[in-house]
Parts: sequence; C-alpha cells; structure tokens
Amino acid sequence: DTGVSQNPRHKITKRGQNVTFRCDPISEHNRLYWYRQTLGQGPEFLTYFQNEAQLEKSRLLSDRFSAERPKGSFSTLEIQRTEQGDSAMYLCASSQPGQGAYNEQFFGPGTRLTVL
Amino acid sequence: AQTVTQSQPEMSVQEAETVTLSCTYDTSESDYYLFWYKQPPSRQMILVIRQEAYKQQNATENRFSVNFQKAAKSFSLKISDSQLGDAAMYFCAYTYGTASKLTFGTGTRLQVTL
Repeated sequence: DTGVSQNPRHKITKRGQNVTFRCDPISEHNRLYWYRQTLGQGPEFLTYFQNEAQLEKSRLLSDRFSAERPKGSFSTLEIQRTEQGDSAMYLCASSQPGQGAYNEQFFGPGTRLTVL
Repeated sequence: AQTVTQSQPEMSVQEAETVTLSCTYDTSESDYYLFWYKQPPSRQMILVIRQEAYKQQNATENRFSVNFQKAAKSFSLKISDSQLGDAAMYFCAYTYGTASKLTFGTGTRLQVTL
C-alpha cells in the first residue's frame, strides 16, 4: 500500500469550467475527508464520508461543489462553474473509524487548482 | 465554534538547537484531541504528535514533545536537536466527537539553519 493518492496533482482551468479531482484512500480505510488549503492558511474541512455515505458537509461547500464516494472506495470532488476564489490546494485524507478514540488521518499529496 | 490560533508565522532555529512553536485553541468541549502536523515543501502532511485532552501527561515522540496546558488552552510543540529535515510548515490542529474532522491553525513556517 502506497498511501493516499490524488489525481491530478495540478490542474489549471479557465473560469467557468468544471473540474473533477480524484482521491484513492488507503485500502480498508472507510473514512475519507476532503479539505481545502488556500495560500498562507491551514486546511479547512469540506466534507467527509464513512464508506459510501457522505456524513457531513461544511458551509464552505457551496452548491457548485459535489463529492461522491461510490462503493466506498475512491472519491471524487467536482467543482462546477469554477471561480478564481476556488484556486487552492485540495487535500484528501483517509482513516479507520475510531472506537471512541481518534484514528490518525493520512493525507494525500493534494491537487493544486489554479483558476485563470 | 472551535478555533486554533498560531501566532508565530515564521520561526528560525539553528541545527542541533531547540525551538518551541506556540498554539492556543478555544473549545467548550471537555474531551478532544490536539495534534501537530508537519507539511514539508511540496510534500504531504504527516502527523508529528498527538495529545488526548483527558491525559495529563504531555506526549513525546523522540525529539518532539508538547506542553499541554488544558486550563490555559495552550498546546506548544518543542523540537529538540533540530535537524535540517525539520524545516517545514507546522500546523496545530484540533478535533472532537465522532466525525473527527480537523480544525487547523494558520501554520508556522520553521527554518533550520546551519
């Protein structure tokens, strides 16, 4: 197992275009998280899945954003009608569920989105 | 709302010396977890150390240790015998509850000089 992978690593798009990112978690990790990190800031939580169920979405996740995790394996994050303010690093993390205790989140390398 | 504050945007330390990174947080929860994550340039974020709020003993991991002051809501990271490979962004983070979503501070960029 090589850890959490994300594709593409970099994406440049024009304003108004749609983009989709993919995250492959560590196998057997049934939790998957998406975060967004803008320049000079720490990552901010966007949403998370347990298996295929999306259990929570941040208010940061506008209706232009949609995330899926079919069959509880990989996940996709789609941004429709991109805006320049969407430019950021999108991070994915996966973990085992806790048994009343926290389980470490393992992060992927991120997808850097630039909207021109 | 839970917040995490890192008041040191940048820190510098000489190789082999000790440096302390500061973090304060705000929460009304009694049971929570605190973390320090390291994000090297162009590399993925990795967990350095974690602290359970119910534990009074400060966590240590080799050259990394924390000073957890629950009443003051302070959680600092001490790096001893600093190495060039310690140069990175360091993020303080917090979580509670079953969702385990992380709330991060704005980060401290650590430079290690010869």
